[in-house]
Amino acid sequence: EAGVVQSPRYKIIEKKQPVAFWCNPISGHNTLYWYRQNLGQGPELLIRYENEEAVDDSQLPKDRFSAERLKGVDSTLKIQPAELGDSAVYLCASSFGWWETQYFGPGTRLLVL
Amino acid sequence: EDKVVQSPLSLVVHEGDTVTLNCSYEVTNFRSLLWYKQEKKAPTFLFMLTSSGIEKKSGRLSSILDKKELFSILNITATQTGDSAIYLCAVETRSGGSNYKLTFGKGTLLTVNP
Repeated sequence: EAGVVQSPRYKIIEKKQPVAFWCNPISGHNTLYWYRQNLGQGPELLIRYENEEAVDDSQLPKDRFSAERLKGVDSTLKIQPAELGDSAVYLCASSFGWWETQYFGPGTRLLVL
Repeated sequence: EDKVVQSPLSLVVHEGDTVTLNCSYEVTNFRSLLWYKQEKKAPTFLFMLTSSGIEKKSGRLSSILDKKELFSILNITATQTGDSAIYLCAVETRSGGSNYKLTFGKGTLLTVNP
């Protein structure tokens, strides 16, 4: 069974540039999560989707971050413009339902210079 | 099947009390144990523990992991009403390659009364 797929794996950009991450969840998983993980810390939830609906985006910095999951399957997370403090690993996870076991993709490591 | 069990499921205390929340686990390919505090919406990350016996501390909260006995505790001293929340324990395991998963316990509902 294919796991959660993310791309790109690595991204280096200059500050003020836009960047986008893509995620394809495990087939059949209705719930999709985007997390940000800083060095030495656990994942922090940015947004959670139930199918195509964003049901929890309370920790998404909405001034510069946006996300979409138009057909309830794959999803994109965008940052525009990026800041130095956005350097982190961005993880996508999926599960059958809310707070059931979440399966993580390999993440996208972002470095903002 | 990986399991994460939290106890108690709920707890009611008075302001100023000290509480200890428990999390035990049975998993394959343990990577780390995480504690989260969930109030109204998204859980807020508290601690990540990877090594036994090393206490992590943040203000009135502290946590420690015992990888031999497969459990962790979260302590909150001098509790305040603002500590009322659901406390979630999650265990991160590696499932091969660069893939891993996060298994959550059901949480402990802490209510701190004035």
